[in-house]
Amino acid sequence: EPEVTQTPSHQVTQMGQEVILRCVPISNHLYFYWYRQILGQKVEFLVSFYNNEISEKSEIFDDQFSVERPDGSNFTLKIRSTKLEDSAMYFCASSSQSDTQYFGPGTRLTVL
Amino acid sequence: GEDVEQSLFLSVREGDSSVINCTYTDSSSTYLYWYKQEPGAGLQLLTYIFSNMDMKQDQRLTVLLNKKDKHLSLRIADTQTGDSAIYFCAESPGDYKLSFGAGTTVTVRA
Repeated sequence: EPEVTQTPSHQVTQMGQEVILRCVPISNHLYFYWYRQILGQKVEFLVSFYNNEISEKSEIFDDQFSVERPDGSNFTLKIRSTKLEDSAMYFCASSSQSDTQYFGPGTRLTVL
Repeated sequence: GEDVEQSLFLSVREGDSSVINCTYTDSSSTYLYWYKQEPGAGLQLLTYIFSNMDMKQDQRLTVLLNKKDKHLSLRIADTQTGDSAIYFCAESPGDYKLSFGAGTTVTVRA
């Protein structure tokens, strides 16, 4: 069964450093998403991406964040200058239409 | 606004039925979803219901939707130890995002 994959599973970085989180969505899907879950809190929407552009983004997704689909398979989330409060689990998701979203296993980001 | 509410904890005996309740706010949500998260794992799509349906059954899972009260429930029949997890209700307030509840931690005791 096709699934969304994410790498790395755990990323540790120093405050102020740039990180890139990688995702490989399900191959025939056209819509891509990033969410985050701070420990013990709700899963929060960050951004959606379709047809090579951002469809919607939340207030959390400020200028420090960017997304890219650099080739036909990868979908990345870049945080330009990480802050302590960016520590969270980051989930990538994809869907074939703008409905049922399938999630990856997540990347745990720890900012020290 | 978008605010999905769920009770935080549910303890159930193995073999009994579990019922997890959720209220949502966006009446325009086309679909409503239930996701399952096991410890240290990602979000697994369990089931979803189209907003013009009242009920959907999928093996041991039954979803009930009351649109008037904006109430969604998930019933798990014959609950097993492998059903211990956090269950998230989610609405789709727009085409391009999901809004999640805080999750209900289900503990199955022998």
